[in-house]
Amino acid sequence: NAGVTQTPKFQVLKTGQSMTLQCAQDMNHNSMYWYRQDPGMGLRLIYYSASEGTTDKGEVPNGYNVSRLNKREFSLRLESAAPSQTSVYFCASSRDRGFYEQYFGPGTRLTVT
Amino acid sequence: KQEVTQIPAALSVPEGENLVLNCSFTDSAIYNLQWFRQDPGKGLTSLLLIQSSQREQTSGRLNASLDKSSGRSTLYIAASQPGDSATYLCAVLADRGSTLGRLYFGRGTQLTVWP
Repeated sequence: NAGVTQTPKFQVLKTGQSMTLQCAQDMNHNSMYWYRQDPGMGLRLIYYSASEGTTDKGEVPNGYNVSRLNKREFSLRLESAAPSQTSVYFCASSRDRGFYEQYFGPGTRLTVT
Repeated sequence: KQEVTQIPAALSVPEGENLVLNCSFTDSAIYNLQWFRQDPGKGLTSLLLIQSSQREQTSGRLNASLDKSSGRSTLYIAASQPGDSATYLCAVLADRGSTLGRLYFGRGTQLTVWP
């Protein structure tokens, strides 16, 4: 089992460019999450998907969109990147929303210049 | 809104010491609390998960306790080793309403264990 995988590992964008971060899990989990980690801020939830076909906003959703493509895959899109979106992005999954442990991917390091 | 605080922010100790890392949270309506380890430039590795009905969990040299009513958790590391050097993150899982299932993270304690 690979667990949670993310692509790409690193990305540099210019302001205004768009890109999609990909996440996949092979644990048959129902729920998936996107977090961002900034120095001195801790991890903050951007969006989550409690189950296939549903998505909901987290704490910091502005400037992002998500797609739950199927049970395995959950993508995060930046439509017009801004320097404030420079961060490390983590995808996570859990058996269900609520009670269960969350498993994290290795992260995507994004720099917007 | 749930706030999670970790003290201290950084800790540097010689090998062999027993350590206590602290975590506090403002809203006791939690499903569980997780302790994670993060190595530089890497993702998060789950160390221990304590359900809200439990008082403690142990894994090897690690012991985590939870006092839900007072909003506190501690991570105890016995006989620390240089390989324990990492950032330790505490996170609580919300259990009510629109925040159900959300993990709220502290900012972490950066631990350095020197030989």
